[in-house]
Amino acid sequence: DAGVIQSPRHEVTEMGQEVTLRCKPISGHDYLFWYRQTMMRGLELLIYFNNNVPIDDSGMPEDRFSAKMPNASFSTLKIQPSEPRDSAVYFCASSFQREAQETQYFGPGTRLLVL
Amino acid sequence: RKEVEQDPGPFNVPEGATVAFNCTYSNSASQSFFWYRQDCRKEPKLLMSVYSSGNEDGRFTAQLNRASQYISLLIRDSKLSDSATYLCVVPDPTGRRALTFGSGTRLQVQP
Repeated sequence: DAGVIQSPRHEVTEMGQEVTLRCKPISGHDYLFWYRQTMMRGLELLIYFNNNVPIDDSGMPEDRFSAKMPNASFSTLKIQPSEPRDSAVYFCASSFQREAQETQYFGPGTRLLVL
Repeated sequence: RKEVEQDPGPFNVPEGATVAFNCTYSNSASQSFFWYRQDCRKEPKLLMSVYSSGNEDGRFTAQLNRASQYISLLIRDSKLSDSATYLCVVPDPTGRRALTFGSGTRLQVQP
């Protein structure tokens, strides 16, 4: 199994630009999670989907952030406009409902730097 | 109070040492707890789960103290490869699929 795939792995952009992060979950998984990790705040859940439907987006920082899951094999996290404080590692994770709740499989992450 | 709190460390220990980390949680309704491991510049991976009073897996032992609301992770005979950040994780007690991660405790095992 290829595992969770994220792209790009690294992104450097200038303040005000739009950033789109992509995720392909493990085939057959029905939950998809977006997390953000910084030194100051640790690993924070931004939003998660079940069967492509957003279940909880209470962790999304503000309106500049949006996430979509148009089908079971693809999700995007978009930041528009980006700001320097958005610099972080963004992880996507997926899980299977029939597995235990704690078993989430993380992708390698996207390292975002906003200048 | 944060939902999950951990000592950030770093804990610097020699090979072969025994080291323990603690994690405190705020929601007394939480029933199960987990430890994830994150290597430097890598993604987190599930290490072990704690459903009752404790769990043991080889050199790793996780214990739960519900009265004091803390979880501990004990590593015996530590190896260089144990160097990583250990994240304490608490699930959403309402049944949602969400997990709350602690900020992690960094362990550095030295030769």
